[in-house]
Amino acid sequence: QVQLQDSGPGLVKPSETLSLTCTVSGGSISSRTSYWGWIRQSPVKGLEWIGSIYYSGSTFYNPSLQSRVTISVDTSKNQFSLKLSSVTAADTAVYYCARQVYSSSSVSFDIWGQGTMVTVSS
Amino acid sequence: SYELTQPPSVFVSPGQTANITCFGDKLEYKYTCWYQQKAGQSPVLVIFQDTKRPSGIPERFSGSNSGNTATLTISGTQAMDEADYFCQAWDSNTVVFGTGTKVTVL
Repeated sequence: QVQLQDSGPGLVKPSETLSLTCTVSGGSISSRTSYWGWIRQSPVKGLEWIGSIYYSGSTFYNPSLQSRVTISVDTSKNQFSLKLSSVTAADTAVYYCARQVYSSSSVSFDIWGQGTMVTVSS
Repeated sequence: SYELTQPPSVFVSPGQTANITCFGDKLEYKYTCWYQQKAGQSPVLVIFQDTKRPSGIPERFSGSNSGNTATLTISGTQAMDEADYFCQAWDSNTVVFGTGTKVTVL
């Protein structure tokens, strides 16, 4: 049974870079039927997709965040990571990693990590 | 950018049917899925590809999509179904989430 565990600092200073890692267990991140995504949730914006990556390294990002986001994958560690640069208080949110299933123009997230609360504050 | 709009709240009595709507332009031409999120927990996928239920999701959860509106229906609603529900679609290589609906079982 695939499980996701996200990890990273819960406090980031304004203008710095937020970094989170998601570890996949119980299955391979190199699965050809899965993408791996990052989603965040705040009371103001609700659920917001950040971006997704395939095991090959192919990525696609939310256009509203694209200039500040980098998602990478390390297949040897069965992990994928998020970096969000130049953060402000508006980036304060719970950040989730999730397995994305893509089939016949259908995209859904069938397995989610437990979420990491990240606060941007000096 | 594409938007999905949901009513902020739905109230339902135990045993009755709850219908949660999700409005988007020409939504019927996109696959919609639905997530249930209970307080303090991560979202759980309850419907994908408009009408399909993942393994382990009770049969009382069903979905439909027609015109500009997708609908999640909970038949015979139970107290355990009280949660926030979000729709989600895929448009122009972008994942879009709905605004969310809080379902209260009175």
